Amino acid sequence: SQQGEEDPQALSIQEGENATMNCSYKTSINNLQWYRQNSGRGLVHLILIRSNEREKHSGRLRVTLDTSKKSSSLLITASRAADTASYFCVLLPGSARQLTFGSGTQLTVLP
Amino acid sequence: EAGVAQSPRYKIIEKRQSVAFWCNPISGHATLYWYQQILGQGPKLLIQFQNNGVVDDSQLPKDRFSAERLKGVDSTLKIQPAKLEDSAVYLCASSLAGPGANVLTFGAGSRLTVL
Repeated sequence: SQQGEEDPQALSIQEGENATMNCSYKTSINNLQWYRQNSGRGLVHLILIRSNEREKHSGRLRVTLDTSKKSSSLLITASRAADTASYFCVLLPGSARQLTFGSGTQLTVLP
Repeated sequence: EAGVAQSPRYKIIEKRQSVAFWCNPISGHATLYWYQQILGQGPKLLIQFQNNGVVDDSQLPKDRFSAERLKGVDSTLKIQPAKLEDSAVYLCASSLAGPGANVLTFGAGSRLTVL
């Protein structure tokens, strides 16, 4: 399979807590991206990390990539109700030209 | 900048009828994508255009789905005849170049219900 598998499938936390989502994959990749989808703003790109990078930050988001373990994690710090959404790990496999979406993690942030 | 425009936002048809969706990408974006997203699943790529040429249509059910991108700008996705399992949100996205270097900007989607 050339798609990532997110874990957990669903996550529920209190506002202000941190949320961590993981993505595992089986192929070599050129880059890995995280997207967010909610009913209000649709599907939106969050962050891209290249295969030669280990960590990237963007505001309250922190993404790590371990190519030896073929895994990535997305950390959202100090979560807000507005972070409630589905989060997708999106791969660009090394041999392919198309981005492949996983099935997503459904995050619910309770006020 | 203006986003990716899609229409219609919602469409309800009966099985065996036809439907067409339209997409206008961000100006200057050479690559255009159509994704199908069934409820509870991640988006699945149907077809990818680079300018007005097809880059990948390996997952497009060509017996009933067709897509074109005339003049390398707007695109239409057609389903004829529709089946119940085609009920989904059809997402259009665009990017400046191939996905290796750039990120996708998505439209709001067209929700299709087939009865």
